[in-house]
Amino acid sequence: AQTVTQSQPEMSVQEAETVTLSCTYDTSESDYYLFWYKQPPSRQMILVIRQEAYKQQNATENRFSVNFQKAAKSFSLKISDSQLGDAAMYFCAYRSPRPYSGAGSYQLTFGKGTKLSVIP
Amino acid sequence: GAGVSQSPSNKVTEKGKDVELRCDPISGHTALYWYRQSLGQGLEFLIYFQGNSAPDKSGLPSDRFSAERTGGSVSTLTIQRTQQEDSAVYLCASSLTATGDTDTQYFGPGTRLTVL
Repeated sequence: AQTVTQSQPEMSVQEAETVTLSCTYDTSESDYYLFWYKQPPSRQMILVIRQEAYKQQNATENRFSVNFQKAAKSFSLKISDSQLGDAAMYFCAYRSPRPYSGAGSYQLTFGKGTKLSVIP
Repeated sequence: GAGVSQSPSNKVTEKGKDVELRCDPISGHTALYWYRQSLGQGLEFLIYFQGNSAPDKSGLPSDRFSAERTGGSVSTLTIQRTQQEDSAVYLCASSLTATGDTDTQYFGPGTRLTVL
């Protein structure tokens, strides 16, 4: 079974600075999908960024970018020019390209999350 | 357009009572997932619906949990004879398809269930 590990339960960053959140995963598959979700206190999980394992180019979305190291099974999230609104829980998630069971589920496997605080 | 909606936002119940949690997916999304988020356990998959196919119930923690999806749209998660360990945030997500580039899951705001 796949596992996702986020080794930093909490992180803090000064406003306007850059912070990197770590994520590692364990899988025997060669093609898969990786995601970073943000969960503010409102509880709404918001997709931040998505990466397909077959793509060598790191995904970017405005101030958010990833460092995808396939061989090392590492998928870190870099937030540049941090803003107060970036304060939230961040979850790394993995999705297999194949269904987990006969019924064909493609559920996400999540890490435990990293709580990011932004200091004004 | 409208996102995934869930109701109620919060639910407090007494141990032993039954509860129903509702999820309205994004219109046109064929895949629907339920997850549970509890302290110390992170996010756990519960059940998956895809179109009119039989659901994947492999994540349901006990037979007290059940879910249905009517007309391929709205889904209801039912917990019978609630226990204190059922206290958690229940999240619903939907995706346009289950695979490919349109498989991104979009989440609702969740229902916080508290069992006294």
